[in-house]
Amino acid sequence: DQQVKQNSPSLSVQEGRISILNCDYTNSMFDYFLWYKKYPAEGPTFLISISSIKDKNEDGRFTVFLNKSAKHLSLHIVPSQPGDSAVYFCAASSPQGGSEKLVFGKGTKLTVNP
Amino acid sequence: EPEVTQTPSHQVTQMGQEVILRCVPISNHLYFYWYRQILGQKVEFLVSFYNNEISEKSEIFDDQFSVERPDGSNFTLKIRSTKLEDSAMYFCASSEGGRGNIQYFGAGTRLSVL
Repeated sequence: DQQVKQNSPSLSVQEGRISILNCDYTNSMFDYFLWYKKYPAEGPTFLISISSIKDKNEDGRFTVFLNKSAKHLSLHIVPSQPGDSAVYFCAASSPQGGSEKLVFGKGTKLTVNP
Repeated sequence: EPEVTQTPSHQVTQMGQEVILRCVPISNHLYFYWYRQILGQKVEFLVSFYNNEISEKSEIFDDQFSVERPDGSNFTLKIRSTKLEDSAMYFCASSEGGRGNIQYFGAGTRLSVL
């Protein structure tokens, strides 16, 4: 059951460049999406979210884009910094049954090289 | 900044033993969750808890699992008779409201069943 897919297990970018992390979903009922980042030995930390009524949300260096027709979202980090090196998880939720549960992707490990 | 705290950070137990994983959610939050991540796999939803009762549970959350809010601050996950396949990282999360609210995660408890 892979309702949320992050097809790139890893990504390496140079400091100062743009990092683009991608996420695809199959459940058309998903209407709320979040990105979390996770450092080793820590829990997932909320980064940014987007509701399906929007197609873009920006917070500082982080921008999330949502393409509902393609069931695709992406996280852009500009400029990338070495401290951004972490595993990034895409998560989604659906209003079915008033569910609060988040469905996660497998994560993408981002390495930002100095 | 308020945070979700989990204890212990690592729990080693023998197969068949009972374990209790403890969490202190953020103080003004009303919704509580448990997720788990088996090594190399996705973060998976186990259960959500609101108003002193389970609001949703996954098929993973069978009769061996239970949750409790024994006082005004703690939220616990009990596994009655642990199996080898219960070995995972268990994350507690909390949120102010239900759907559409950010879930904040603790650092996790690594459960090792021998």
